Amino acid sequence: GAVVSQHPSRVICKSGTSVKIECRSLDFQATTMFWYRQFPKQSLMLMATSNEGSKATYEQGVEKDKFLINHASLTLSTLTVTSAHPEDSSFYICSAHPLQDRGANYGYTFGSGTRLTVV
Amino acid sequence: AQSVAQPEDQVNVAEGNPLTVKCTYSVSGNPYLFWYVQYPNRGLQFLLKYITGDNLVKGSYGFEAEFNKSQTSFHLKKPSALVSDSALYFCAVRDHLNYGGATNKLIFGTGTLLAVQP
Repeated sequence: GAVVSQHPSRVICKSGTSVKIECRSLDFQATTMFWYRQFPKQSLMLMATSNEGSKATYEQGVEKDKFLINHASLTLSTLTVTSAHPEDSSFYICSAHPLQDRGANYGYTFGSGTRLTVV
Repeated sequence: AQSVAQPEDQVNVAEGNPLTVKCTYSVSGNPYLFWYVQYPNRGLQFLLKYITGDNLVKGSYGFEAEFNKSQTSFHLKKPSALVSDSALYFCAVRDHLNYGGATNKLIFGTGTLLAVQP
């Protein structure tokens, strides 16, 4: 089945620094990956849609300069939280689905998430 | 606009009893419906989906869901709950009119915490 690898699983950083989170599709190609943010005991909030070879599409209210997304290849998308602050502390999850499948058989495959803590 | 509602924040059930986690949806066209489960500090795991065909969908770990178009519902069910089923469950929908494009976003419900007591 489709597997999405997300790293790191946990990261603690100082306020003002930047953090990069990687999302890789291990056994399939994905032109589109999605980045979500999840607050404690809450649902997933879609932040942006990452498109291979083009600019990401951000949801309303998400700062594109704050959350930089790069989708350099069909198997890798990265989310960089720039100049992180404590309010950016959250659980970030990526997802993707196979290019050929388009979600019909596998739905969307999710990474295991990244717990970001900004101190 | 597409939306999904999970009316229960938490469902409590005794081990061995049947369980139901409710979900209703609203879409402009025919829906693609999904159920996912999330364990603490983990990503989401796919349980089952409804695209077309039989209204009763069987998925992983003994779960099933019934698509009811007239009630716009897609409730998750299991005949006999296990303590290990305790987790956060999300219902999600995607409008298949947009199927195939880069705008195919999953819209999630707020999640239902399932607690199975021994």
